[in-house]
Amino acid sequence: AQTVTQSQPEMSVQEAETVTLSCTYDTSESDYYLFWYKQPPSRQMILVIRQEAYKQQNATENRFSVNFQKAAKSFSLKISDSQLGDAAMYFCAYRSGRGSSNTGKLIFGQGTTLQVKP
Amino acid sequence: DAGITQSPRHKVTETGTPVTLRCHQTENHRYMYWYRQDPGHGLRLIHYSYGVKDTDKGEVSDGYSVSRSKTEDFLLTLESATSSQTSVYFCAISESQGILYGYTFGSGTRLTVV
Repeated sequence: AQTVTQSQPEMSVQEAETVTLSCTYDTSESDYYLFWYKQPPSRQMILVIRQEAYKQQNATENRFSVNFQKAAKSFSLKISDSQLGDAAMYFCAYRSGRGSSNTGKLIFGQGTTLQVKP
Repeated sequence: DAGITQSPRHKVTETGTPVTLRCHQTENHRYMYWYRQDPGHGLRLIHYSYGVKDTDKGEVSDGYSVSRSKTEDFLLTLESATSSQTSVYFCAISESQGILYGYTFGSGTRLTVV
């Protein structure tokens, strides 16, 4: 079974600085997708960024980028120029790739609460 | 929002009572999911559906049942609520196994069992 681990329950960053959130996963599959979701105090789950395992290039979305290390099974999220609105809980998630057994279910890490200090 | 609504948004119920949470979508998506969110555990899958009347268990399905009689509605029932089921419940939908865009989530239901 696949697992996702976020070892940092809480992180803090100064506004305008850069912070990296860690995520590791365990799988025997070669085809899968990885996601980072943001959950602000409103409780809404917001997709931040996704990465296809077959792509070597790291995904980037504006100030958000990932460091995808497939061999190490690591998928960290880097937030550049942190803003107060980035304060939230962040979840790393895994989903199996295409295939008859794929139910599309996401497997989540425990979450990391990010505090942004003004 | 994104065509998915959960009801109620908040609920307090007594131990031993039945509770039904509703997830309604207007996107005509095939896949629907129920998760619960607890501190230190992230989100864990309770049940999911891959079509009308087609459902299956997730990793924390004990004490829960689901039904999907129409594409747009996915109901989660706690037959006899217990304090351990106090949690925030999320419904999510995806069109085709969430390949490109992951999921669309509802706003969540905070359930307190006293």
